[in-house]
Amino acid sequence: NAGVTQTPKFRVLKTGQSMTLLCAQDMNHEYMYWYRQDPGMGLRLIHYSVGEGTTAKGEVPDGYNVSRLKKQNFLLGLESAAPSQTSVYFCASSYSGTYNEQFFGPGTRLTVL
Amino acid sequence: KNEVEQSPQNLTAQEGEFITINCSYSVGISALHWLQQHPGGGIVSLFMLSSGKKKHGRLIATINIQEKHSSLHITASHPRDSAVYICAVSTGNQFYFGTGTSLTVIP
Repeated sequence: NAGVTQTPKFRVLKTGQSMTLLCAQDMNHEYMYWYRQDPGMGLRLIHYSVGEGTTAKGEVPDGYNVSRLKKQNFLLGLESAAPSQTSVYFCASSYSGTYNEQFFGPGTRLTVL
Repeated sequence: KNEVEQSPQNLTAQEGEFITINCSYSVGISALHWLQQHPGGGIVSLFMLSSGKKKHGRLIATINIQEKHSSLHITASHPRDSAVYICAVSTGNQFYFGTGTSLTVIP
């Protein structure tokens, strides 16, 4: 099992460009999450999904969109990147919600110039 | 306002020392999680607990729901324990994370 994978691992964008980050899990988990991690701050929840076809906003959703068309995949989109979106992005999944261990992907380091 | 506060922010210990990392939270929670982030950036879950105490090898996690406080203990610390330890709480479908404690264990 690969667990949780993220693509790409690194990306540099110019302000205003768009991109999609892909998260995939092979553990048949219902719940998937996107977080961002910034220096001096804890992980912050961007969006999450409690099952195929569902998405919900987290703590910092502005400037991001997500989709969960297939159970194993959770996509994070930036329509018009801004320097404030420079961060490390982590995807995570869990079997169910709050009472289950989260499994994290390796992270994507995004720089917006 | 941070829902989760950790202390200390940084910790240096000699190999073999007993280590304690503290976590306080201000919201009602369903569960509390301890995570480890390796120097390479990967994050793994160490514990999830909603009451009492859990032990895994040299790691022990405790929680006091009334005081809204949790501790992570490492016995007989080793240089391979060097990492950032993150406390997180879950409430409903939301997760809130502390900023982490950076632990360095010196041989």
